[in-house]
Amino acid sequence: ETGVTQSPTHLIKTRGQQVTLRCSSQSGHNTVSWYQQALGQGPQFIFQYYREEENGRGNFPPRFSGLQFPNYSSELNVNALELDDSALYLCASSSGRRSGANVLTFGAGSRLTVL
Amino acid sequence: GQQVMQIPQYQHVQEGEDFTTYCNSSTTLSNIQWYKQRPGGHPVFLIQLVKSGEVKKQKRLTFQFGEAKKNSSLHITATQTTDVGTYFCAGLSLNDYKLSFGAGTTVTVRA
Repeated sequence: ETGVTQSPTHLIKTRGQQVTLRCSSQSGHNTVSWYQQALGQGPQFIFQYYREEENGRGNFPPRFSGLQFPNYSSELNVNALELDDSALYLCASSSGRRSGANVLTFGAGSRLTVL
Repeated sequence: GQQVMQIPQYQHVQEGEDFTTYCNSSTTLSNIQWYKQRPGGHPVFLIQLVKSGEVKKQKRLTFQFGEAKKNSSLHITATQTTDVGTYFCAGLSLNDYKLSFGAGTTVTVRA
């Protein structure tokens, strides 16, 4: 079975730009959760998608948005980038509507630097 | 909202010694999970605890879930250099759907 893959692995943007991060979920998983991990911190929940619908959101502004596709892969879009958006963005796939009830399989992450 | 606190933030251990890291939630949990993140890596699942008072062992690692399902601990015996990394607990509150992660305990090992 394939694991979770994320792209790109690293990227550098400037303030005000927009970024799209991509995630391919593990085979058999229908839920994707996105987390932001700042340096030295634990992962912070951004939102999750279950069967192509956003069904949960953390304390992040609307400029953080996403999509899930019929094959359960997902995108995270961030508009109007700010310096504080610099972080490791982690995608995690799981099964079921209640992602926290099941094991999360994380990708290697996309490290975003905003200058 | 739910908060998950971990202590200590850093643990410096002599190789061969034991140590324990603790996790406390502000709310009662349905389950608690532990993940390990190696330097430069991503979180990797270690264990899930569901029952009150549950104890699970993985070789030198012992995980415990508190009776009130609001706290948990991870005890490592005879620490090895392969134990280096950050250990996160992540809890699922009773009426929630997502895991909330603690800030982690970062472990370094002196040979």
